[in-house]
Amino acid sequence: GAGVSQSPSNKVTEKGKDVELRCDPISGHTALYWYRQSLGQGLEFLIYFQGNSAPDKSGLPSDRFSAERTGGSVSTLTIQRTQQEDSAVYLCASGGLLYEQYFGPGTRLTVT
Amino acid sequence: AQSVTQPDIHITVSEGASLELRCNYSYGATPYLFWYVQSPGQGLQLLLKYFSGDTLVQGIKGFEAEFKRSQSSFNLRKPSVHWSDAAEYFCAVGALHSGAGSYQLTFGKGTKLSVIP
Repeated sequence: GAGVSQSPSNKVTEKGKDVELRCDPISGHTALYWYRQSLGQGLEFLIYFQGNSAPDKSGLPSDRFSAERTGGSVSTLTIQRTQQEDSAVYLCASGGLLYEQYFGPGTRLTVT
Repeated sequence: AQSVTQPDIHITVSEGASLELRCNYSYGATPYLFWYVQSPGQGLQLLLKYFSGDTLVQGIKGFEAEFKRSQSSFNLRKPSVHWSDAAEYFCAVGALHSGAGSYQLTFGKGTKLSVIP
């Protein structure tokens, strides 16, 4: 497909479990972003990858959150020891032109 | 640091009426400005963007926005709203995050649009 894809679309997990969220960016896009969208809130920046540069992790809310990007393409966001406040929609975007971002459909995470 | 304010949390308009969604930004340099739309259960779709040049920009789905530097605004408009326009709309400003050397978008909290048939 031509767009950004994310999997799973929905994830329900128990408090304390680890989860992995996947993002497949648009082919050829060097920039990749993760955001978190909580109910009634805007988008909260989490992490940014650009090519082979060190990622900008300044938005990660705690050390339970980490992300990697393999081969400059697919990215995985990992949340360890999930808490109820981690429940949100996690959006991935890949970047084409300067600042222009294309979003995936998101993963809705529910921590019970 | 840059910021974006969308003063209206929720707007309701009748189908066929005109629409204006407000966006004010704070940024020290020339801003790159965006409007995105999010339908329920979907990701964000880019409606239009302003980088430079003509301050009135046209986007998809019949939307336009006007950049007014003196008012630090980038309001979104549509002359005649369709029921399918019901969604949430996000304004964003692009800026270089100098501390990390990354290009980031800062989003407003969004305006939810409801359309009455």
